[in-house]
Amino acid sequence: DAGVTQSPTHLIKTRGQQVTLRCSPKSGHDTVSWYQQALGQGPQFIFQYYEEEERQRGNFPDRFSGHQFPNYSSELNVNALLLGDSALYLCACSPRAANSPLHFGNGTRLTVT
Amino acid sequence: GQQVMQIPQYQHVQEGEDFTTYCNSSTTLSNIQWYKQRPGGHPVFLIQLVKSGEVKKQKRLTFQFGEAKKNSSLHITATQTTDVGTYFCAGIYNQGGKLIFGQGTELSVKP
Repeated sequence: DAGVTQSPTHLIKTRGQQVTLRCSPKSGHDTVSWYQQALGQGPQFIFQYYEEEERQRGNFPDRFSGHQFPNYSSELNVNALLLGDSALYLCACSPRAANSPLHFGNGTRLTVT
Repeated sequence: GQQVMQIPQYQHVQEGEDFTTYCNSSTTLSNIQWYKQRPGGHPVFLIQLVKSGEVKKQKRLTFQFGEAKKNSSLHITATQTTDVGTYFCAGIYNQGGKLIFGQGTELSVKP
């Protein structure tokens, strides 16, 4: 969607390294969710941020952490990378209204070797 | 648990044929959303269903929400090559809860 910006678009890391992915939400969207999408699978919910705090979390280990800044932009950090972390990481933004549709960025393709 | 199952995983049709994908949950959903992801792209919101038995139409696409709010379907009439992509249902179990995606149905259309 226009306005949801993710960086970088592609990234190659080695097992054990750490990675930071970034997301700038669409104007007016203050809630940011992160999803992991493995090849051929549906997006899996990692966590959601609102008012700079983690509000909800999916079934992901503590190696996955995040942050939201006052301008609503967000970062996803993954420590001690595993081969299985290779996936498309999607940032999804929405206004705070409950059950609002998500607007996705183009994603970051992470490859762990 | 909170899990959304979607079938079929793949569907190959001839252009002009109809297509249907089904979504099921073992527990009642608060609402359900549908997204389309083109090859190499990101999910794009199509529609949201909230009410029991709700039916919504968007041109050749018809979306239904079951009476028990545990299942949903997307039907495309007379498919076109522009319909190619993966269709995901995504359910919410509680107001303001996280959106849980199904595995998706990948549609290919042969001209």
